[in-house]
This record gives sequence, C-alpha cells and structure tokens, in this order.
Amino acid sequence: DTEVTQTPKHLVMGMTNKKSLKCEQHMGHRAMYWYKQKAKKPPELMFVYSYEKLSINESVPSRFSPECPNSSLLNLHLHALQPEDSALYLCASSHLRDMNTEAFFGQGTRLTVV
Amino acid sequence: LAKTTQPISMDSYEGQEVNITCSHNNIATNDYITWYQQFPSQGPRFIIQGYKTKVTNEVASLFIPADRKSSTLSLPRVSLSDTAVYYCLVGVTPARSGSARQLTFGSGTQLTVLP
Repeated sequence: DTEVTQTPKHLVMGMTNKKSLKCEQHMGHRAMYWYKQKAKKPPELMFVYSYEKLSINESVPSRFSPECPNSSLLNLHLHALQPEDSALYLCASSHLRDMNTEAFFGQGTRLTVV
Repeated sequence: LAKTTQPISMDSYEGQEVNITCSHNNIATNDYITWYQQFPSQGPRFIIQGYKTKVTNEVASLFIPADRKSSTLSLPRVSLSDTAVYYCLVGVTPARSGSARQLTFGSGTQLTVLP
C-alpha cells in the first residue's frame, strides 16, 4: 500500500464553522506533512510532524490546528477560517531514516470557505 | 533553505524529448535533488531523485553535473498526458537526527505538450 488517503475530497464551510481534514497512511512513515496550495501556485509547507511530534510550524495562523494522534493519522482542525483560506490542502508522508527518501502525497482536500 | 529556480513554462510537441533545468546554487552536501509532477487538482507525484551524475528510471532521466549547482530532468518522447507542472526540490538537511526534512517547493515549470 503506497497511498496517502485524504478525506473529505471537497469541503465547503462557513466562517463560523469548525471542521477537520483527515489524512491516513499505512506505509510506516514517521514524517507527515500538511501543505496548502492556491490556484497556479506551488504547495506551501504548513506543518511537519516527526514521530508524531510537531517539528515544523511555518508560522501558520492559529485557526489551523494540526494533530497527529498516531503514526498513521494526521488531522488538520479548522476554525473561524477566512475566504482567503480557500485552497487545496495536501497531506504527505515520508520515511525519516534516509536522507534521500521520497514523499508520497494524497489527492488533497479542496476547501472552500464561504 | 536551498532555493531552486526553474523556467516558468515550456511548450513541446508530442514525441519530442523535453529537458527542464533547475538551478540550486546553495545546495548542501547531504541534499538530494528530487523532481515531482503535478496535474491540476491532484497531489504531486514523485518522478525521480538523484545525488550526482545520472539517474534513469522508466519515466525519466536526471542529469546532475559535478558541482551539483543545477540539474536537468529529461522526459523522452513526451505525450499529451505529460502536460503538467514539474517541480524541482532540494531537501533541507534536518538540524537534528530524527527530524523530517523541510520539503519546500519552488515555483515549478508548466510543461504543455502540443499535438
């Protein structure tokens, strides 16, 4: 199994809603990533988890709250988002032990904030 | 961070070989060079990775000169389905062992294959 599965595929939420994005992998990867991608732009790194601990937070606003409950799951909790937060949110995972490891990406969640 | 620079866009015709060059002047000694392909509304997909000289797999070749300050992705005989954005990444060596690398994407190259 070389898949990273993200749910839901599409999400529409109001600015007062609370929602969560989910990501799952069963490749034994101990590094997991959240990226945000706006149209016609490259993915922007948001968070990195190493061994289920947050190791990198790229100055992301607190309305985005990541969580890594175990080595296979990664969540992104959303609260009080703004319309400009509408984007494709990508999850990725990779091994930690090798410097030349590749990252596997999910298909993303298309988020629209109204 | 090792910054990468690529052409914004390239056009090619079906059946031609396409070469996309990426410059990474401040690449670190331990960094590998990785290329990803991305179709609209999909996650990036790994294409190829290398450290030096030449690497070839079933879909592409990667050429890296001795100074490693640039790399060239070569796609043989492209087809319409190769139309995508191609990203060159240079991994950042973690500050401590056990930490994940900071995989940062550059601006990417939009390749358009024409019939």
